[in-house]
Amino acid sequence: TQLLEQSPQFLSIQEGENLTVYCNSSSVFSSLQWYRQEPGEGPVLLVTVVTGGEVKKLKRLTFQFGDARKDSSLHITAAQPGDTGLYLCAGDDNYGQNFVFGPGTRLSVLP
Amino acid sequence: DAGVTQSPTHLIKTRGQHVTLRCSPISGHKSVSWYQQVLGQGPQFIFQYYEKEERGRGNFPDRFSARQFPNYSSELNVNALLLGDSALYLCASSLGSGRLAFNEQFFGPGTRLTVL
Repeated sequence: TQLLEQSPQFLSIQEGENLTVYCNSSSVFSSLQWYRQEPGEGPVLLVTVVTGGEVKKLKRLTFQFGDARKDSSLHITAAQPGDTGLYLCAGDDNYGQNFVFGPGTRLSVLP
Repeated sequence: DAGVTQSPTHLIKTRGQHVTLRCSPISGHKSVSWYQQVLGQGPQFIFQYYEKEERGRGNFPDRFSARQFPNYSSELNVNALLLGDSALYLCASSLGSGRLAFNEQFFGPGTRLTVL
């Protein structure tokens, strides 16, 4: 069974600070996704990383897929209160029959 | 365009009862997946349906079942409810099936189920 771990579990920072959250597994994933979920809503897809070593940027968010495709990171530059939410990494079982989410990192950005 | 819609928004049941949750996918999407998200955790995959057929199943007991209708809407049924079934139930829709479905899925707001 493929499992995803995320760290830290909780993160509270001041507006303007930088942060990095991590997603790790002992299994190889063909791709990993990052979602953001706000209270009372479903997760919203931010990015999909496919190639080992790949780096993708989405405005102030930078996503990296590990060379071995077992881990990924999300870096936020100059965090804003609007970045507050639950950040989830997720991936499929490489057969398209199961989809696994990590437990999430709950980020709070204080003004 | 309307996104994924789910009903009801909230639901309260007692142990042993049965519940049916409903999901309408984005127009044109043929795949629906169901997830359970317990408070403080990430979503857990329950089922994926494509063209009315089950294409994927997570590690959930047989008390959980689902079906998809010709208009691609879907129902999730849970029998003999337990306290531990209290959770946010999310539905996601996508165009394709299997890995294609997982690669680009759009989530609804969920149904909050409380079992007393």
